[in-house]
Amino acid sequence: AQRVTQPEKLLSVFKGAPVELKCNYSYSGSPELFWYVQYSRQRLQLLLRHISRESIKGFTADLNKGETSFHLKKPFAQEEDSAMYYCALNTGGFKTIFGAGTRLFVKA
Amino acid sequence: SAVISQKPSRDICQRGTSLTIQCQVDSQVTMMFWYRQQPGQSLTLIATANQGSEATYESGFVIDKFPISRPNLTFSTLTVSNMSPEDSSIYLCSAHFGTGDTGELFFGEGSRLTVL
Repeated sequence: AQRVTQPEKLLSVFKGAPVELKCNYSYSGSPELFWYVQYSRQRLQLLLRHISRESIKGFTADLNKGETSFHLKKPFAQEEDSAMYYCALNTGGFKTIFGAGTRLFVKA
Repeated sequence: SAVISQKPSRDICQRGTSLTIQCQVDSQVTMMFWYRQQPGQSLTLIATANQGSEATYESGFVIDKFPISRPNLTFSTLTVSNMSPEDSSIYLCSAHFGTGDTGELFFGEGSRLTVL
């Protein structure tokens, strides 16, 4: 079955602390994974994609096929990182399924 | 990037009625999708809106309940038929742009439906 699992509904960290948002997936093919973010009162938007191996706003995510994971990390959280984060999986034909989402709250 | 406009942005509807949500993209796009986001839940893919042919529905969604039109490469509509309170959700239109390393989904702001 194709599935994206984000085990944490809420993650609260202090400003300057490291943050890791967990994502695990289940997919029989070669996975194409993404992180999308929704800031308060804004629309859902792409944060980063695994295929690009990029760092956006200090966030990185590494695909670990052995552990079927794609965790999102940032070494030093900022208050403006507070948002809803969704891990997503392209299941073919550009169809994308989403995890349940993790709300990140960065405290001052 | 792309701009996706949805309307209505929100509506309150009576049980048993139907509502059509419109989605306009500012450039031509091959792939358009409709998602539902129920309160406190993640996004669930309803269907792929195919230009010039019938939409492709995901498991649990049927054409009679969620008829979709895609008359051209920039526009689509989703109708929520014979609504019940369980249909209260945010409905999101999205479009896929780019290929390979640059492909991504763009989203509309969503249409928040409340069914009484």
